[in-house]
Amino acid sequence: GNSVTQMEGPVTLSEEAFLTINCTYTATGYPSLFWYVQYPGEGLQLLLKATKADDKGSNKGFEATYRKETTSFHLEKGSVQVSDSAVYFCALSGFSGGYNKLIFGAGTRLAVHP
Amino acid sequence: SAVISQKPSRDICQRGTSLTIQCQVDSQVTMMFWYRQQPGQSLTLIATANQGSEATYESGFVIDKFPISRPNLTFSTLTVSNMSPEDSSIYLCSALDPGTVNTEAFFGQGTRLTVV
Repeated sequence: GNSVTQMEGPVTLSEEAFLTINCTYTATGYPSLFWYVQYPGEGLQLLLKATKADDKGSNKGFEATYRKETTSFHLEKGSVQVSDSAVYFCALSGFSGGYNKLIFGAGTRLAVHP
Repeated sequence: SAVISQKPSRDICQRGTSLTIQCQVDSQVTMMFWYRQQPGQSLTLIATANQGSEATYESGFVIDKFPISRPNLTFSTLTVSNMSPEDSSIYLCSALDPGTVNTEAFFGQGTRLTVV
């Protein structure tokens, strides 16, 4: 079936450190891939997306590349800030039988310390 | 992108009672969804709210427990019926409108429900 697997958290980093959060997926059809972020006490916000293989999504210094050969969509940021502390969800949609539905990974909590 | 308002933002309810959550979008959208986020876990799709017809439920969710209404293209409600402590979760409304600027799903702030 369709699923998303994320690295377990929490991830704890110092400010200005490099961030990678791994995400792999299993899907039928040709899914789109997303990263959503949930700041404390808030709803989900779309961080970035990619709709086809080799697309790179980017926003606010975060990047992720849609790798079909490895079925991955890892999130990276070169220098994290305290304000990046949040829970990050990898998600997919556009799979066969559920075109507009989102399937989420378990979420990865990021804590950035000064 | 469009803005979703959910009410209430949080509630504490007695077991055996029901709570209705409202979701209002500030523009017409084709598709609306309801998700559940159990404590410390990811989001799980409950159902797709269909305008003018019965909602489409995902495996493990039934209409008797989670009745949904969608009277028009901007509004939906989710009722959590006969609540038990296991229903304590965050419930999120989501919407998208393929073919417009709102092509990605956007979310409300969520309703944090605690059942005691």
